[in-house]
Amino acid sequence: GQNIDQPTEMTATEGAIVQINCTYQTSGFNGLFWYQQHAGEAPTFLSYNVLDGLEEKGRFSSFLSRSKGYSYLLLKELQMKDSASYLCAGMDSNYQLIWGAGTKLIIKP
Amino acid sequence: GAVVSQHPSWVICKSGTSVKIECRSLDFQATTMFWYRQFPKQSLMLMATSNEGSKATYEQGVEKDKFLINHASLTLSTLTVTSAHPEDSSFYICSARGGTSDSYEQYFGPGTRLTVT
Repeated sequence: GQNIDQPTEMTATEGAIVQINCTYQTSGFNGLFWYQQHAGEAPTFLSYNVLDGLEEKGRFSSFLSRSKGYSYLLLKELQMKDSASYLCAGMDSNYQLIWGAGTKLIIKP
Repeated sequence: GAVVSQHPSWVICKSGTSVKIECRSLDFQATTMFWYRQFPKQSLMLMATSNEGSKATYEQGVEKDKFLINHASLTLSTLTVTSAHPEDSSFYICSARGGTSDSYEQYFGPGTRLTVT
C-alpha cells in the first residue's frame, strides 16, 4: 500500500534549526512535495524534489533519498511565523499526491 | 502567478439544503482540479479528481451523488454538497494543476469553511 509517515508534532526555539523527517512508500514515484499550512488556511507550496540531494531555498531546504524512501525539510533561523503544520506528500505513478498527516511545528520564544 | 480562488470562503447552511463551492484558476489553465476536505487537526483527504470536460473520479467512500463535481472549463470547477447534514461541516479545499507536462505542483485555493446547522 501507499503510505507517508512523519512525526505528529515537534517543538523548536526561535532562531534555531529544525529538521522534519518524512518516509514514503508509493506505487511508483514522481517526486516529493512539502507544503506549509497555517491553522485555518489552505496549504502553500514549499518545495518539490524528484532527484536525490538537497534543494535550498532561503531559510528552507529539502532533501530527498529515493533509495531510502526518505525526505526531510530543514528550517533555519526559525521565526515565530514558522509555527504551522508541514505536510509531506509523495506523488505516485499516476501523478496523484499521497499526503502525510502533517507535522505540527511549535516555535517557542 | 498560479493563483486559485474559491468562493465562498465560508458558508453556513441549514440541514437538508445544498451548497455550491466554486474553484477558479485565475491566471493559468487547470487541466486537473482536486477537491479535498479537512477536519480539524487532521490531514487533507482527497475527495475527487476532475479533468476538464470529463466526469470526476471519486475516492473510495466518497458519495458521488452527494458531492457533485463539475469541471466545465479549464478555469472553473464546482463542488455541490447536496442535502447537507451537520457531519458534512468541514473545511473544503480545491487545488489545481497546470497544463504543462513538467508541472505537477498543485496550487491550492484558500478553502471554504462549511458549517451545517
